[in-house]
Amino acid sequence: EADIYQTPRYLVIGTGKKITLECSQTMGHDKMYWYQQDPGMELHLIHYSYGVNSTEKGDLSSESTVSRIRTEHFPLTLESARPSHTSQYLCASSAGVIGELFFGEGSRLTVL
Amino acid sequence: KNEVEQSPQNLTAQEGEFITINCSYSVGISALHWLQQHPGGGIVSLFMLSSGKKKHGRLIATINIQEKHSSLHITASHPRDSAVYICAVMADSNYQLIWGAGTKLIIKP
Repeated sequence: EADIYQTPRYLVIGTGKKITLECSQTMGHDKMYWYQQDPGMELHLIHYSYGVNSTEKGDLSSESTVSRIRTEHFPLTLESARPSHTSQYLCASSAGVIGELFFGEGSRLTVL
Repeated sequence: KNEVEQSPQNLTAQEGEFITINCSYSVGISALHWLQQHPGGGIVSLFMLSSGKKKHGRLIATINIQEKHSSLHITASHPRDSAVYICAVMADSNYQLIWGAGTKLIIKP
């Protein structure tokens, strides 16, 4: 069973609000990822990290930021949410350069 | 042309049928992943392979590195197998994951 957790699972907020989506894993994995997925569509990489104090932007940074101060924690922050940010956000982790992927249950965000 | 192509995009079959989902890629890879996503649910890793064949229960995954092709087979399919099946490859040039668009499978009872 995967030990990777995302909160909140569902969130409805107004335009312009700042939000942070939390992701934690207890497997000691060094690689962590944030993906955005619209219904019925493929995953798009937003940010990734290869370890503590290492973060990189993906193809779709979507005006968001991440931090990796601790191995187990990889939060995603939207400074000013817009309706175009309405989507599902999936956090994942893997061990090593090539490792099995573990996904959280996702955070479904609606921006009004 | 996408670097990872899955076929078919959609597949509907009767319970008990043998299912094959294909994944072709155009880059050199270190590994290939098959994952499953149920409606409204998270994503679960089914297989990670870099050569040959792996089997888990009714699921079988094969890969042909020379042909740059992988298949996911489901034997004795069941309605609970209904999900989106996603292929992703790890490019050996930069260790980045490249995702397929997914295959939506519906198994009718």
